[in-house]
This record gives sequence, C-alpha cells and structure tokens, in this order.
Amino acid sequence: DADVTQTPRNRITKTGKRIMLECSQTKGHDRMYWYRQDPGLGLRLIYYSFDVKDINKGEISDGYSVSRQAQAKFSLSLESAIPNQTALYFCATSDPRDTLGNTIYFGEGSWLTVV
Amino acid sequence: KNEVEQSPQNLTAQEGEFITINCSYSVGISALHWLQQHPGGGIVSLFMLSSGKKKHGRLIATINIQEKHSSLHITASHPRDSAVYICAVKTNTGNQFYFGTGTSLTVIP
Repeated sequence: DADVTQTPRNRITKTGKRIMLECSQTKGHDRMYWYRQDPGLGLRLIYYSFDVKDINKGEISDGYSVSRQAQAKFSLSLESAIPNQTALYFCATSDPRDTLGNTIYFGEGSWLTVV
Repeated sequence: KNEVEQSPQNLTAQEGEFITINCSYSVGISALHWLQQHPGGGIVSLFMLSSGKKKHGRLIATINIQEKHSSLHITASHPRDSAVYICAVKTNTGNQFYFGTGTSLTVIP
C-alpha cells in the first residue's frame, strides 16, 4: 500500500460544483501539503499544515479550502470549481525530524478536470 | 521569479547516451531533491542531498552549495528512464519546498 493515498485519482466535474480531494498518510508525519501541477509550471503550493490545528495558505490558495481532520488526513476542497482549476493535484507529507532537511513523500496525484 | 531553474526543459537521447540535467537555485537550502515523475503522474524521490555526490545504480547526483547548482547524471540511458525529472529545494528558513518546472527526458531505443 502507498504511504500517501489520494482519492479520487481522476475526476471530471462541472463548473460551479463543489469537489473534495482527500489525502491520507501512514507515515506518521505532522506536515502535509497540497500542490497543483500545470504544464510548464513547477508544483505550486496551495495549502499546508504542520499540525492538526495548523492551517496555512500557500501561494495559490484562492478558490480552495482545506481541512486537517486528523494527523493522517488532509482534504482539499474546491467550493465552486472553475475550468482554470483543471490540473494535477498532489498531496505530500514531510518529517521535520529528518536531520538533512525534510524528506518529502508524494501521493499518486489526482487528475481533476473542470468542464 | 523562479527560485529553482532547470535546464534543459526537454531532452531526447539515444539509448546508451550519458545524460545531464542541471538545476540552479537562488535561495538558502537545507536539502535538494531530485524527483522522477512518470507519465502516469506519480512522483518519487530519487535523491536527497545537501553536499557532495550520491550514486544509485546508473544515476548520479551532485551539488555545489557555493555555486547553488546541482546536476543529475544518467549513465548508459535506457528507454525506461524516460520521465520528467524535477529538481526541488527545501529552504533553510520558512520550511518551504520550491520546485523546478521539470525536464522531460525521452530515451529512444
């Protein structure tokens, strides 16, 4: 089983619909991230959380919200999806106890298409 | 302004060729990662390094902290090496990761 699991892996949704992407991890890491990937652009940070009670905006948080339901679960919501939110979304975790800096682990990605 | 720059963006090689992908960064880092993304989309970590050189099989990663530059080398390239290779850095302040736009590698038999 994957250490970081994302659901759904693929979703097509209509403009204006609410959609939730879920992420769960078995690494026991406190730090979790949501990124989106678009062609020609590097991974961009949407939101991150360093603890169950900690939520922080990334560089492109507009139009998104998150919920950290437990240490192992971090969900990303698009309250009213729009076509330019069509992208590949990644959940990731990291461990601050790593002495070389943070190792980062990625989920398999969730392809979201907004039509 | 991109904190991490990679070159080239695209690379096509014949099987067996020696390949180099370059990464330059502009921020202070605690670690640099080389990631591999296959056509299915999943991302896996190949290397994490903060100094010197690491080698896994045919892959070699080097970093020069003073010059803020890293290279990923693939020796005796093979079609299964075809993927997007992404350079990422972990900053030494702010606990952030920054990612390059990736290098798309195609190795032709």
